[in-house]
Amino acid sequence: GAGVSQTPSNKVTEKGKYVELRCDPISGHTALYWYRQSLGQGPEFLIYFQGTGAADDSGLPNDRFFAVRPEGSVSTLKIQRTERGDSAVYLCASSLGAGPGNTIYFGEGSWLTVV
Amino acid sequence: KQEVTQIPAALSVPEGENLVLNCSFTDSAIYNLQWFRQDPGKGLTSLLLIQSSQREQTSGRLNASLDKSSGRSTLYIAASQPGDSATYLCAVRPMEYGNKLVFGAGTILRVKS
Repeated sequence: GAGVSQTPSNKVTEKGKYVELRCDPISGHTALYWYRQSLGQGPEFLIYFQGTGAADDSGLPNDRFFAVRPEGSVSTLKIQRTERGDSAVYLCASSLGAGPGNTIYFGEGSWLTVV
Repeated sequence: KQEVTQIPAALSVPEGENLVLNCSFTDSAIYNLQWFRQDPGKGLTSLLLIQSSQREQTSGRLNASLDKSSGRSTLYIAASQPGDSATYLCAVRPMEYGNKLVFGAGTILRVKS
């Protein structure tokens, strides 16, 4: 596609529920990233995929968070037993390659509210 | 641990003014530095990417400089317009982490007409 696409754009869920957030990267981009942005803060790194594999998941806050990218394109971020503190914007990004010369392009984000 | 700080946190200027946004980082071992724009309720739009070997990049009315040794970058916006109102984020790509970006908290810019 023309840009990084994320769905849903907004999600309100009850505490304790399970949530899935989807990211469709720019066509042909092999690197995919998830970031989380709380109000008034810059985005914080969660996980990075190169192809189908999670090359770096050191930013995932705990084992309630998991992400997959089974075919090396679309990725899903999964949050189990949601807590109010999980409320944030979840941003997906992609780049053509993984090297530092590659510009990283961000999607519009999925705004998650846990009530 | 790499930390990125942006000053000021918020800035309000009249239309037409030239302005400078500041970004500082604690570890000079970076691959590059990137400036982003974020409109309310939206994602991030990449403005300029400066590699560690470069001193500056320009795009239209925007000019970003990088002084890696002192851990500083500036984003210069010439002849500001109300449409420039947004949050501007600075991010570095540390050599230590490979493929992560470390962001500052941003500068909220308001250009008054």
